[in-house]
Amino acid sequence: ETGVTQTPRHLVMGMTNKKSLKCEQHLGHNAMYWYKQSAKKPLELMFVYNFKEQTENNSVPSRFSPECPNSSHLFLHLHTLQPEDSALYLCASSQDSGDEQFFGPGTRLTVL
Amino acid sequence: GENVEQHPSTLSVQEGDSAVIKCTYSDSASNYFPWYKQELGKRPQLIIDIRSNVGEKKDQRIAVTLNKTAKHFSLHITETQPEDSAVYFCAASMTGGYNKLIFGAGTRLAVHP
Repeated sequence: ETGVTQTPRHLVMGMTNKKSLKCEQHLGHNAMYWYKQSAKKPLELMFVYNFKEQTENNSVPSRFSPECPNSSHLFLHLHTLQPEDSALYLCASSQDSGDEQFFGPGTRLTVL
Repeated sequence: GENVEQHPSTLSVQEGDSAVIKCTYSDSASNYFPWYKQELGKRPQLIIDIRSNVGEKKDQRIAVTLNKTAKHFSLHITETQPEDSAVYFCAASMTGGYNKLIFGAGTRLAVHP
């Protein structure tokens, strides 16, 4: 599959569960991003990885833990989430020196 | 840090009319201003972008203007069509290495036949 893919597309979890979101890009990009999209709020940048190194952590609570094992894969590990964490989580990638970010389809997360 | 404000939050137009969405930004160091379109249930997709060394850019029915002095930029859609109905997001960033985009809250555009 081409472009940016995310799995799962939908996830329902309890507050005590541990789950992981996966993002994969097939574009040869070196920068990858996690965004949170809630209703009636701007897209919020959570984390940025550039050449596998985390370069931005936008004051995200520690219950969200990112992992970037290589430039093509990005994970978001979830632990002890709150109902207000329910949102669409979008992954994106870009060239290290480029501008356009390509988004994945997102994971719709519901925390019960 | 950068802050982006976007207006209006909703916009309803008749097919064939023009639509204008405006954004302001706070950080004068920002130099890249993209616009993304997000259709219902789909991912955001870049439709046009502009850099700070350009005042206007056009791509068919879509145009973007930038006023660096006033720190605002606008999206103009002419001859709107029902398939233009979507949420539009503006963003601002300072590029270099990677791209830390700060997004506006979005404008829901409805084009009525």
